[in-house]
Amino acid sequence: AQSVTQPDIHITVSEGASLELRCNYSYGATPYLFWYVQSPGQGLQLLLKYFSGDTLVQGIKGFEAEFKRSQSSFNLRKPSVHWSDAAEYFCAVGDPNAGKSTFGDGTTLTVKP
Amino acid sequence: SAVISQKPSRDICQRGTSLTIQCQVDSQVTMMFWYRQQPGQSLTLIATANQGSEATYESGFVIDKFPISRPNLTFSTLTVSNMSPEDSSIYLCSVGGTASAGANVLTFGAGSRLTVL
Repeated sequence: AQSVTQPDIHITVSEGASLELRCNYSYGATPYLFWYVQSPGQGLQLLLKYFSGDTLVQGIKGFEAEFKRSQSSFNLRKPSVHWSDAAEYFCAVGDPNAGKSTFGDGTTLTVKP
Repeated sequence: SAVISQKPSRDICQRGTSLTIQCQVDSQVTMMFWYRQQPGQSLTLIATANQGSEATYESGFVIDKFPISRPNLTFSTLTVSNMSPEDSSIYLCSVGGTASAGANVLTFGAGSRLTVL
């Protein structure tokens, strides 16, 4: 069965600082991997996805993520965080056959002024 | 991507009652899912809503508690039956993407926040 682990429940960074959110997955084959963001009072929005090919993927809002098969990881990064990035971030692994996704527990990002 | 409308957006319900949540999509979609997000927690898949047939439920979820209908490719309902306070959650409808965008790319509705007293 597929699973996702986000080791960090809560992360606080200063505005302008760099950010890395960790994600480890368990899946029997080549995974489909996603990062979603849930802002207060808003729905879930896709940040980026990895299906195959280049292991460094670019997303919206200046985010990127790197797929590392050897480490079963798909960490999310941003070089300079903005106050508007404060939100809940979910990593997810997709089942290509069933179309459904399994989500991690999420990481809450707080941005200090 | 598809636009999803969920109704109601929120509701306060009494213990023992049932509530039906509607999910309307602005385009025909193949894959449609219902997720639950309990307070402060992640998303848990309840079931895959199958058009014209019974939904496929995940472990821990049963049809008697969460009956789902999907009469066509743009509409689905989730009923939360015989509610208890433990059912207080946000219920999210989501749909898969197109073949070109990636069927696994999920678009979510804004959610239905249920509080059971």
